[in-house]
This record gives sequence, C-alpha cells and structure tokens, in this order.
Amino acid sequence: DVKVTQSSRYLVKRTGEKVFLECVQDMDHENMFWYRQDPGLGLRLIYFSYDVKMKEKGDIPEGYSVSREKKERFSLILESASTNQTSMYLCASSLGQRSTDTQYFGPGTRLTVL
Amino acid sequence: DAKTTQPPSMDCAEGRAANLPCNHSTISGNEYVYWYRQIHSQGPQYIIHGLKNNETNEMASLIITEDRKSSTLILPHATLRDTAVYYCTSPNTGNQFYFGTGTSLTVIP
Repeated sequence: DVKVTQSSRYLVKRTGEKVFLECVQDMDHENMFWYRQDPGLGLRLIYFSYDVKMKEKGDIPEGYSVSREKKERFSLILESASTNQTSMYLCASSLGQRSTDTQYFGPGTRLTVL
Repeated sequence: DAKTTQPPSMDCAEGRAANLPCNHSTISGNEYVYWYRQIHSQGPQYIIHGLKNNETNEMASLIITEDRKSSTLILPHATLRDTAVYYCTSPNTGNQFYFGTGTSLTVIP
C-alpha cells in the first residue's frame, strides 16, 4: 500500500513565524502535491512537483514556497505565517503524469496561525 | 475550473445502497473519472476510477453513462462508517486533479 505521511497532525504557530510542513511518500512516486482545504472551498492546489528539484505553481501559490531535494520528500514552507493561512494542509503523491495515475493523500496537517 | 458538479448533500439508510451522482459533461474523451471520499479530519481516500466501462472493486461500483456526461458511485450496502464527503473529479493533463466541495453523505441508522 502507498503510504504518504505528514510531519504533524496539528500545528499552532504565531503570525510572522516561518513554518515547515513535511511530506514523505514511500512508493517512489514521481509527482507530489500540496493542497489546502477550507470549509466551502474544497481542496485547492498550492504547488506540485513532477521530479526532484522541480516545482510548479498551482492555483494559490501566494505566500508559500516548496522544496523537493529528495524524491520521497516534499516540503511546504510558509515564509511568514499569517492568520489567513490557518487551514488544513494535505499532501498527495502519484506515480506519474498520466491520467490513470491515482493520487494518494496523507492524513493532513491542521495548521492554526495565531 | 470545475469539470464536475455534485449535489451538496444526501442521506441514505444503513444497509441500503447509496447512489451518488456526478455530472461531468465537459470532460474530454480520454479523461478518467475518479471518486474519492474524505472522512472528517482525514485525508481523501481513493475509491475507484473509470473511463468508459463500468467498474467495480471491493469498496464500490462506478457506473458511467454511455455519453460519459455523468456517472454514479454506488455503495451497495451503506454502513455508518460510509458517512463522509464524496468527491467526483477528473485529472487534467499532468495528473492535476480539481476537487470541488463534493457530496456530504450521511448514513442514517
């Protein structure tokens, strides 16, 4: 079974802090994704990566950056956390870029910025 | 842009079949239809996907209309643990999925 893990289930940070959210997958997947989920808005794509050291902006990249130094690990970085970044953050991975490649999700990190 | 539309909520009696509809009239001929579900405060869980033919696995069945404009996810014998938000989605080129707000299914004892 594919396993996608995220470093924390719950996280509380203060405005202005730098925040790192880590995601690791164990199935040698090429693609990794970061979403945020807010009530009434569904899941929105922040960034994704098709390969090591590659990154692409999703629909809402403002205020975020990412890092993919190793194939199995994809980090989401909030350079200066703000209260409007309080949200559920979900990481996913998929084998490749074909439309038949299922995305598998981690358990999510609920981030609260005070 | 959303390519799928779903009713916001549905109820189903425990033990009965839950039939969740999805309209995807704008997807192209080679775009798959995927279903995921999300139980409160967890990550979305893959259920099933298909292109043209009906599909069945241990979790559910997927019925896709011949014109591919809509599909139905069937949970044959709904249990209380099937209470969740169900998402119908379709990946674009590059395996990017768009997730809307889904259907909130409540299974009633």
